This record gives sequence, C-alpha cells and structure tokens, in this order.
Amino acid sequence: SQQGEEDPQALSIQEGENATMNCSYKTSINNLQWYRQNSGRGLVHLILIRSNEREKHSGRLRVTLDTSKKSSSLLITASRAADTASYFCATDSGSGGGADGLTFGKGTHLIIQP
Amino acid sequence: DADVTQTPRNRITKTGKRIMLECSQTKGHDRMYWYRQDPGLGLRLIYYSFDVKDINKGEISDGYSVSRQAQAKFSLSLESAIPNQTALYFCATSDPGRRQPQHFGDGTRLSIL
Repeated sequence: SQQGEEDPQALSIQEGENATMNCSYKTSINNLQWYRQNSGRGLVHLILIRSNEREKHSGRLRVTLDTSKKSSSLLITASRAADTASYFCATDSGSGGGADGLTFGKGTHLIIQP
Repeated sequence: DADVTQTPRNRITKTGKRIMLECSQTKGHDRMYWYRQDPGLGLRLIYYSFDVKDINKGEISDGYSVSRQAQAKFSLSLESAIPNQTALYFCATSDPGRRQPQHFGDGTRLSIL
C-alpha cells in the first residue's frame, strides 16, 4: 500500500518561480526522503529529514516535516528548466534501520516553463 | 560507469516466458532492493536483501523470485511472465542503518505481450 501521497500530481510553473510539493503519509516514520526522477532515468536522492527534525535545507531545496499532521513539503526556489522531473517522497517506517525498504508516494510531475 | 547497472534496459517478451533481470553495483553496499514502477502508482517494493545470505519479501513479491549471487549482484526473475507484470523495474542499493539514501539504477522497461 502507498504510504506517501504527493500533492499536486502535476505542477507547471515559469522558470525562476518557486515550486512547492506536499507529501502526506499514514503511519509513524523514522525519516522521510525526497527523490527526483528525470524522464527515463532512475531516482536520485535529494534530501532526508529525520522524524525529530522540522526543517532542512540543501542548496535551493527546503524540506519541512510536521509529524503531528503526518505531512512534509519540498520547496524548490528559483526554479530552472533542469528541475523538470518527477519528485517522490519516501518514508522509512521500518524497525530494522530502513531494511524494510522505502515506501514511495505516487509523485509530483514538475514542469518548468522557460 | 554507473554505480548501479541494470540489464537489460528494455525487454519485450511473451506471456509464460521466464525472464531474468540483473543488477550489479560497484558501490560496495550490503543492501539491495528491487522495485517496480507503474504509471500513477509510484514505486512498490518486490524483494530486498541485507546481504548474500539474506532475502526478504516486499509488498508485492508474488510471481517473482530473486537471487543474491554475490554482494554486488542481485537478480530478479519472473518464472512465468504475465501481462500485468509489464512495468518499469528498478534496482537500488544502500548502506546499512537508518538515514541511508538509496541509490538507483536506470531501470529495466519490461513489456509482456
């Protein structure tokens, strides 16, 4: 069963604007990760936020986590054409240090218009 | 060269055929995973392996089997392929422990007619 659910399913913005994607999940988690998938390629890890963290930054990426609402958001600032991709949240709920594998959401398809 | 290599990249086959998808990695990771991706459904875990002697079923293991031939190699088999196994298949690796990202291959696009 899907743990994460991204919103919106698709997002189209102009280059230079900020893009925000949301992820909701159902069960308690150890951490939450965001991945990017370019067309025809595998997923690439972007950022991980632990369950005891509320916000994390990496370059133009900002991730927030609200465990009380079981939700996370990914903000990409000053978007570029190269940011066009699908973005997935993935939750680690396993007791074995992530050994159960990640549970992925369905993804948000982001299109940056030049 | 890619750190996680999947072969073949594309495969078209017929219902009832046995198919093997292969994954090899140069990252030295102990943990390896197989996922399938269907349009609109995200990725779902099929099998995962902690090390050569450890194999675990994931969410959707029915109709699939795996073999961990070495630390660097993890293969996925479809013993008798059926059309609803048409999907994009990904192999991933990670270090042990929590807070470890997974590293993905570029996938195998499998079509079963």
